Amino acid sequence: LAKTTQPISMDSYEGQEVNITCSHNNIATNDYITWYQQFPSQGPRFIIQGYKTKVTNEVASLFIPADRKSSTLSLPRVSLSDTAVYYCLVGDTETSYDKVIFGPGTSLSVIP
Amino acid sequence: EAGVAQSPRYKIIEKRQSVAFWCNPISGHATLYWYQQILGQGPKLLIQFQNNGVVDDSQLPKDRFSAERLKGVDSTLKIQPAKLEDSAVYLCASSLDLGLAGGRVTGELFFGEGSRLTVL
Repeated sequence: LAKTTQPISMDSYEGQEVNITCSHNNIATNDYITWYQQFPSQGPRFIIQGYKTKVTNEVASLFIPADRKSSTLSLPRVSLSDTAVYYCLVGDTETSYDKVIFGPGTSLSVIP
Repeated sequence: EAGVAQSPRYKIIEKRQSVAFWCNPISGHATLYWYQQILGQGPKLLIQFQNNGVVDDSQLPKDRFSAERLKGVDSTLKIQPAKLEDSAVYLCASSLDLGLAGGRVTGELFFGEGSRLTVL
């Protein structure tokens, strides 16, 4: 299983850029990196997915170095509504089907 | 497009009682997941279905939990008898199956709002 490690919590002020780094040292060749966001009392929501280099969408950017042993989720100019738990997942290819395994995530608190 | 529907949203029962949760995935999604999320923790995968077949149920406490997905669409998760430690939110999710030549993509999961269980 490709495990992930990310900070338990982070604080940021409104308007700042937030970078959350995830370590996945034993990522497999065919694994993709996916990030989810979860607000209180809601199910997780897909944010972004990537394999290597940089991926950007309307919500966030994902930076993946060449060795793919880590990845960084970047949230530009956060607002109070970005307060949530962010999960980093790595695709599990040990079985014939994909397993989607969540870790404890990073709890981001945005301060006014 | 309708999302993943779950019911009930809230359920309070006493220990040793039984409870059932229902999930209706997004139309056309072949894969369905049940997760258990205890307060302050990430979701824990209980069972994964591919159409109406079980792909993985290695973390399902089979002495008290059961799940089925008849006809490859709706699914029910049952707990009997419930224990205090079963208090959690039960999340259902569904996904399309994606595949790329030379690689494997974890398909985007769409989650329902969850069913919050309190066992007294």
